[in-house]
Amino acid sequence: GEDVEQSLFLSVREGDSSVINCTYTDSSSTYLYWYKQEPGAGLQLLTYIFSNMDMKQDQRLTVLLNKKDKHLSLRIADTQTGDSAIYFCAERGNAGNMLTFGGGTRLMVKP
Amino acid sequence: DTEVTQTPKHLVMGMTNKKSLKCEQHMGHRAMYWYKQKAKKPPELMFVYSYEKLSINESVPSRFSPECPNSSLLNLHLHALQPEDSALYLCASSPGRGTEAFFGQGTRLTVV
Repeated sequence: GEDVEQSLFLSVREGDSSVINCTYTDSSSTYLYWYKQEPGAGLQLLTYIFSNMDMKQDQRLTVLLNKKDKHLSLRIADTQTGDSAIYFCAERGNAGNMLTFGGGTRLMVKP
Repeated sequence: DTEVTQTPKHLVMGMTNKKSLKCEQHMGHRAMYWYKQKAKKPPELMFVYSYEKLSINESVPSRFSPECPNSSLLNLHLHALQPEDSALYLCASSPGRGTEAFFGQGTRLTVV
């Protein structure tokens, strides 16, 4: 079945850039997503990218997709303490409505 | 309005109780989902409704019973749960296949 992998933890200083990485195995992925989850809360959709794109920028967020290597990244510019959260990447295959999530990366931003 | 609303936010129930979780969206989305999330883990898909019909049941025990009364509402009926069913239950909706999914804030369920 499909598999989505993320590193567990990332620590950065306030003002630095953060890069969260994700790899996936499903070559039929149509959309790839980044979600943010703060403690005790639901998942907030941050951004998504269609599989025929290689980059998408939205304010402080930049998503890069390397479809050949099945590698997705999320760059957060000028990281703030409010960005501290767990970030999940997810992919949607061509087969249906299901999202497959990675294990989540906990981002800690130090002042 | 990109909101998915879940009620209640918190629920404590005994193993012999019957309760229901509710989810509502008014975005005209035709796909709705229930996910279960344990602490420090990603969400796990439980059920998918597409056009008000159950399209995916990920081998969920029968003590969880989903219901989709109309295109805006999704319920999850709970009966005879176990303590290991304690988790954050997330509802999501999407316009259809291959598009973004929006999640509610979840119901934190504790089974005692």
